[in-house]
Amino acid sequence: DTEVTQTPKHLVMGMTNKKSLKCEQHMGHRAMYWYKQKAKKPPELMFVYSYEKLSINESVPSRFSPECPNSSLLNLHLHALQPEDSALYLCASSHGVLTATGELFFGEGSRLTVL
Amino acid sequence: GEDVEQSLFLSVREGDSSVINCTYTDSSSTYLYWYKQEPGAGLQLLTYIFSNMDMKQDQRLTVLLNKKDKHLSLRIADTQTGDSAIYFCAENLFSDYKLSFGAGTTVTVRA
Repeated sequence: DTEVTQTPKHLVMGMTNKKSLKCEQHMGHRAMYWYKQKAKKPPELMFVYSYEKLSINESVPSRFSPECPNSSLLNLHLHALQPEDSALYLCASSHGVLTATGELFFGEGSRLTVL
Repeated sequence: GEDVEQSLFLSVREGDSSVINCTYTDSSSTYLYWYKQEPGAGLQLLTYIFSNMDMKQDQRLTVLLNKKDKHLSLRIADTQTGDSAIYFCAENLFSDYKLSFGAGTTVTVRA
């Protein structure tokens, strides 16, 4: 089972709203990722959690707040977003470091529209 | 801009072979990847190759790696309409967690 599950699939929010994106994997992976993807562009890394600790923050604005409650779950809390934050948000997971394990699996994404 | 370069578009007739090319920059990358993205969907890991390999075959997919020229290719045999998608090449830049993606090649399969 190589599955990363993301909810919701679609989200529309106003600039004053607070919402969360959720991601779950049951493959025993110890690294989980958030990526942002604009239309017709490659995904851009936002955050990486390794063993439930934040390992990488790619200078993402504080209106995006990640959380890793346990090794299977990853959340992205959204607050005071801007219309330019509208994008497909992809969650991914890997067994461990990519240099050793290779495989990075993505979910289907949450399509966010900010009005 | 991206360190990984790909041509942006490829049009192929159904039943023919498709070849998607990619040039990467970091010879120390341990793994190189091919991902497929269908409209409205996430990225599907198609295949990946370890940097000490020259070739990897998996059913209709053949990956060729030329380390000297830093060139990676993906050949899809007997291309089907379901193969229409964007294909991303990526390398891990000898990084524990970061992948560098190419801009993606949009493959269109025509009848």
